[in-house]
Amino acid sequence: DVQLVESGGGLIQPGGSLRLSCAASGFTVSSSFMSWVRQAPGRRLEWVSVIYAGGNTYYADSVKGRFTISRDNSKDTVFLQMNSLRAEDTAVYYCARVDATMVFAVDVWGQGTTVTVSS
Amino acid sequence: DIQLTQSPSSLSASVGDRVTITCRASQTISTHLNWYQQKPGKAPKLLIYAASSVQTGVPSRFSGSGSGTDFTLTISTLQPEDLATYYCQQTYGATWTFGQGTKVEIK
Repeated sequence: DVQLVESGGGLIQPGGSLRLSCAASGFTVSSSFMSWVRQAPGRRLEWVSVIYAGGNTYYADSVKGRFTISRDNSKDTVFLQMNSLRAEDTAVYYCARVDATMVFAVDVWGQGTTVTVSS
Repeated sequence: DIQLTQSPSSLSASVGDRVTITCRASQTISTHLNWYQQKPGKAPKLLIYAASSVQTGVPSRFSGSGSGTDFTLTISTLQPEDLATYYCQQTYGATWTFGQGTKVEIK
């Protein structure tokens, strides 16, 4: 079965850092496009970042310079390093597999991990 | 960034009704447009990709159309289990965006 399991969420003070992890099973992350999508309470889905199979990375303007997406191919795990966190980063963060043959649609979603930025 | 505007923001319809949701892009995105269904407390689910291709396993009552800047998601015969929020997403270029969502309620 293809599955994504996120971890690493929690309560963090403004200005702090957090690293989210996403463990994949049933497929290989090194040959996949992987993304992070977040959703603040009661708000729309917001695309955050993507890492291409070839390694290129892209970010939403709202997180550029503060967040970094990476992967560990040996562990089939994708990470989101989040620095200089702000209250507006509070959200459920979903890990997602992107299918490049389907105009980069997300075909597999994790269950989400909650990040709360508050003092 | 490319902006997506969905309409309506919410709607209420009866079981069996035909429901149409529109998504307009701020610039042309060819057919790089996807639709997702999100039920309360759950992760989204892919319904339609490339504007009109139905994802495997999705009921045939869901369909999509459009290209360029104007797109439509249609539920031909609304079912009780279609209670959800529906989002469009554009994947044209290096950065991607979602619409604000359309909440579908059952009368």
